[in-house]
Amino acid sequence: SQQGEEDPQALSIQEGENATMNCSYKTSINNLQWYRQNSGRGLVHLILIRSNEREKHSGRLRVTLDTSKKSSSLLITASRAADTASYFCATARYQKVTFGTGTKLQVIP
Amino acid sequence: EAGVTQFPSHSVIEKGQTVTLRCDPISGHDNLYWYRRVMGKEIKFLLHFVKESKQDESGMPNNRFLAERTGGTYSTLKVQPAELEDSGVYFCASSQDRIGRLYTEAFFGQGTRLTVV
Repeated sequence: SQQGEEDPQALSIQEGENATMNCSYKTSINNLQWYRQNSGRGLVHLILIRSNEREKHSGRLRVTLDTSKKSSSLLITASRAADTASYFCATARYQKVTFGTGTKLQVIP
Repeated sequence: EAGVTQFPSHSVIEKGQTVTLRCDPISGHDNLYWYRRVMGKEIKFLLHFVKESKQDESGMPNNRFLAERTGGTYSTLKVQPAELEDSGVYFCASSQDRIGRLYTEAFFGQGTRLTVV
């Protein structure tokens, strides 16, 4: 199974609502990063949280990390249609970054 | 500052042909990584360069894939001969320090969408 597994696999919400995505992993990590991929485009780095941090904010994004449960969550507040994309968590351990299968988020205007 | 750039953005080739993907990392970044996302699946690590040396190529699927990084600057990923299952998006990333160290952020390119028909 994957080092990073996102939950849910797909999420559809109305514009203005909050979206929460979860990521679980199996081994110890150095840091965890969230990325976004818009359809047909490249990966955009959203936020990096270090293994010694518990919560981080960036604009409308809030990321939490619970190393005891080996899980992270990404909260997007006040979602917009432009947030429609696939979201990936990526766990970093030593020199390698491992991605999960992603959560496909659809924000309906 | 220019980000990671990849060429071409999209390539459609026939099975059996050869395709070469190029990645220009951020200037000064010694670490360069290739990843691949096959349709609907996870993004998988292919290999890692430190300057011109292959640090880890454990993710390369088979010997039809050849990656080079001459002079430690840009990198190429050649697929020869291409097969249908090679279709997907190929991402390149670079970092100043090794990915996985506590504070390292990897910068990704836009990816090359490869379609083998």
